[in-house]
Amino acid sequence: NAGVTQTPKFRILKIGQSMTLQCTQDMNHNYMYWYRQDPGMGLKLIYYSVGAGITDKGEVPNGYNVSRSTTEDFPLRLELAAPSQTSVYFCASSYQGGLEQFFGPGTRLTVL
Amino acid sequence: GENVEQHPSTLSVQEGDSAVIKCTYSDSASNYFPWYKQELGKRPQLIIDIRSNVGEKKDQRIAVTLNKTAKHFSLHITETQPEDSAVYFCAASLSAGTASKLTFGTGTRLQVTL
Repeated sequence: NAGVTQTPKFRILKIGQSMTLQCTQDMNHNYMYWYRQDPGMGLKLIYYSVGAGITDKGEVPNGYNVSRSTTEDFPLRLELAAPSQTSVYFCASSYQGGLEQFFGPGTRLTVL
Repeated sequence: GENVEQHPSTLSVQEGDSAVIKCTYSDSASNYFPWYKQELGKRPQLIIDIRSNVGEKKDQRIAVTLNKTAKHFSLHITETQPEDSAVYFCAASLSAGTASKLTFGTGTRLQVTL
């Protein structure tokens, strides 16, 4: 199993551009999450999903959107990139709540 | 919502010594407390977790203790080794039946010196 995979690994965006961060898991996990990690800080939850077709906001959802059309995929959309969105983005999944979350390798995003 | 505070932010110990990292949480309903280790440039990985129905859990050199009354939990690493050098994050959440929205602490950078 590949586990949780994310693409791209790195990306530089100009202010106002849009992009989609891809996340796929092959563990048949129901729950998926998007976090951002700013330098020297912990992880903050952006959005999460408890199953296909169900998404909900986390702690810092402004400026982002998500969709969950399949169990495997959970893309994160940035519509109008801003410098404040410069961060490392981690996708994670778990079989259900209260169990280990498995993280992807991360996407390092810089907005200039 | 839940708020998790973590101390210290940096910790330097000599190889072989013990290291202790402490966290407090605010929501008395939280019942799941994992600890993640993140090496430089890598993804966070779970090293140990504890649920509110136990007070202590051990796994080789790593142990976690939980005091529900005081709402704090701690990570203990004994006989530290250079490969223990990393950033450690505590987290808290509700467990099964919800989305287990983890709230993370701000991390402790552990440096194990020779």
